[in-house]
Amino acid sequence: NAGVTQTPKFQVLKTGQSMTLQCAQDMNHNSMYWYRQDPGMGLRLIYYSASEGTTDKGEVPNGYNVSRLNKREFSLRLESAAPSQTSVYFCASTGTGWVEQYFGPGTRLTVT
Amino acid sequence: SQQGEEDPQALSIQEGENATMNCSYKTSINNLQWYRQNSGRGLVHLILIRSNEREKHSGRLRVTLDTSKKSSSLLITASRAADTASYFCATDEITQGGSEKLVFGKGTKLTVNP
Repeated sequence: NAGVTQTPKFQVLKTGQSMTLQCAQDMNHNSMYWYRQDPGMGLRLIYYSASEGTTDKGEVPNGYNVSRLNKREFSLRLESAAPSQTSVYFCASTGTGWVEQYFGPGTRLTVT
Repeated sequence: SQQGEEDPQALSIQEGENATMNCSYKTSINNLQWYRQNSGRGLVHLILIRSNEREKHSGRLRVTLDTSKKSSSLLITASRAADTASYFCATDEITQGGSEKLVFGKGTKLTVNP
């Protein structure tokens, strides 16, 4: 099992460009999450999906959209990137009845 | 808003020493978890302690929970250079829809010197 995979690993965008971060898990987990991690700030929840077909806002959703394409895949889209979105983005998943989350390796995004 | 706050922010020790990190939180919880993050990597779950437990062990890890003080501690005994990482506590939060989210603290950066 690959666990949680994320693509790309690194990305540089110019202000105003758009991009989609991809996340997939092969553990048959129902819930999936997108976080951003900034220096000294820990992890902050952007959006989550408790099950296929549902998505909800987390702590910092502004400037982002998500799609739960199917049970395996949960994508995060930046429609018009801003320098404030420079961060490391992590996807995570967990199974029904579990609380431990499994994390992907992260995507390091720089917006200039 | 962030629920857990780790203390200290950074800790540097020698190999073989014990490392203690603390976490304080604000609201009632069902459980508290600790995660490790090696530099440039994703988080890895270490241990979970439920609100009705006071202490839990896993290998060289010992976690305590004091719900009256809303605090937890993570003790790593006989530390090794490979323990160098950032450590985060996370508390659960139940959403209005009934799903469970985690709220992470800002982390303690542990350096174990050989």
